[in-house]
Amino acid sequence: AQSVTQLDSQVPVFEEAPVELRCNYSSSVSVYLFWYVQYPNQGLQLLLKYLSGSTLVKGINGFEAEFNKSQTSFHLRKPSVHISDTAEYFCAVSHGSGNTGKLIFGQGTTLQVKP
Amino acid sequence: EPEVTQTPSHQVTQMGQEVILRCVPISNHLYFYWYRQILGQKVEFLVSFYNNEISEKSEIFDDQFSVERPDGSNFTLKIRSTKLEDSAMYFCASSEEVLLDEQFFGPGTRLTVL
Repeated sequence: AQSVTQLDSQVPVFEEAPVELRCNYSSSVSVYLFWYVQYPNQGLQLLLKYLSGSTLVKGINGFEAEFNKSQTSFHLRKPSVHISDTAEYFCAVSHGSGNTGKLIFGQGTTLQVKP
Repeated sequence: EPEVTQTPSHQVTQMGQEVILRCVPISNHLYFYWYRQILGQKVEFLVSFYNNEISEKSEIFDDQFSVERPDGSNFTLKIRSTKLEDSAMYFCASSEEVLLDEQFFGPGTRLTVL
């Protein structure tokens, strides 16, 4: 069975500092990997996704993530955060085969950017 | 920019009552989903729906739950007899394709069962 673990429930960071939000997954089959962001009182918005090809994926708002198959990780990074990046971030996986679109989410990480 | 909308934003109901949560997916999308998030917990998959049929459903999606696309624009989730543990935020999502495509999420309906 697939599962996703986000190792940090909260990550406080100062504005303009770099940040890494960690995500590990377990799956016995090939997976597709996603990061979603949720701003207060809004739905989830896709930041980036890894389907195949280059393991470094660039997304919106200056975020990027690296797929590491040997470590089964898909950590999200940003070199310099802004106050507006304060939000909940969710890592998710979906099956590579027989896919019905089902997303399995991690617990979420709250990114708190301080001035 | 097209977006997924959900109504109501907040629904309060008594245990045992039926509720219908409504979603209007993006108009050219063909795949539809419901997820829920109990307060403080993960976002959990409930069901995926394509071509007027359920593609996959989770263990949570038992006989008390049903989905319908009644008129080609709305996508509804019905809970026949609500329980206290159904209290959660319910998210609708839609995508143009299933495999490689982004799922667009609505803002959610907060369901409170008293």
